[in-house]
Amino acid sequence: KAGVTQTPRYLIKTRGQQVTLSCSPISGHRSVSWYQQTPGQGLQFLFEYFSETQRNKGNFPGRFSGRQFSNSRSEMNVSTLELGDSALYLCASSSGTGEETQYFGPGTRLLVL
Amino acid sequence: DQQVKQNSPSLSVQEGRISILNCDYTNSMFDYFLWYKKYPAEGPTFLISISSIKDKNEDGRFTVFLNKSAKHLSLHIVPSQPGDSAVYFCAAVQGGSEKLVFGKGTKLTVNP
Repeated sequence: KAGVTQTPRYLIKTRGQQVTLSCSPISGHRSVSWYQQTPGQGLQFLFEYFSETQRNKGNFPGRFSGRQFSNSRSEMNVSTLELGDSALYLCASSSGTGEETQYFGPGTRLLVL
Repeated sequence: DQQVKQNSPSLSVQEGRISILNCDYTNSMFDYFLWYKKYPAEGPTFLISISSIKDKNEDGRFTVFLNKSAKHLSLHIVPSQPGDSAVYFCAAVQGGSEKLVFGKGTKLTVNP
């Protein structure tokens, strides 16, 4: 089985712009979660989608949003980028039935200038 | 408020010896715990997990121990190999949620 894939792998944006990141889960997985990793805050949960519905949300501002498509692929959008949004954005997938392993993609490195 | 803590930022061991990585948690509602290994600029790789109904789970060189009364878990790697050098993250999840709560990680260096 192919693993979780994320595109693009690297991205450079300027303050005020918006960005869309994409994640394709492992085949058969219906849950996609997004995480942000920064040196200061570590790995933090952004949100989780299951069957095209947001099921869980972390403590991030409304500038961070996402969606999931019928094929379980997910996108994450960040609007009005700030310097502090520079981070590694990770996507993870699982079957979504609880108490099970989430498998991570390679991440998208976002640099905001 | 950090619910999952890895108090040792780094650990250095000799090849062939045991590596013990520790993790403490504060939320008694956590019922599933995982360990991930991570290299820079890559996604975390799943290593091993344990349910709160168990106190030990073993997979090859990796063993995770859970002490619920102490709210403590540990990952043992025996024998340690240079390829094990990476950052190890402990994560916890509560009641069927997909929201993983991570510790800040421990950087393991295994010296040849």
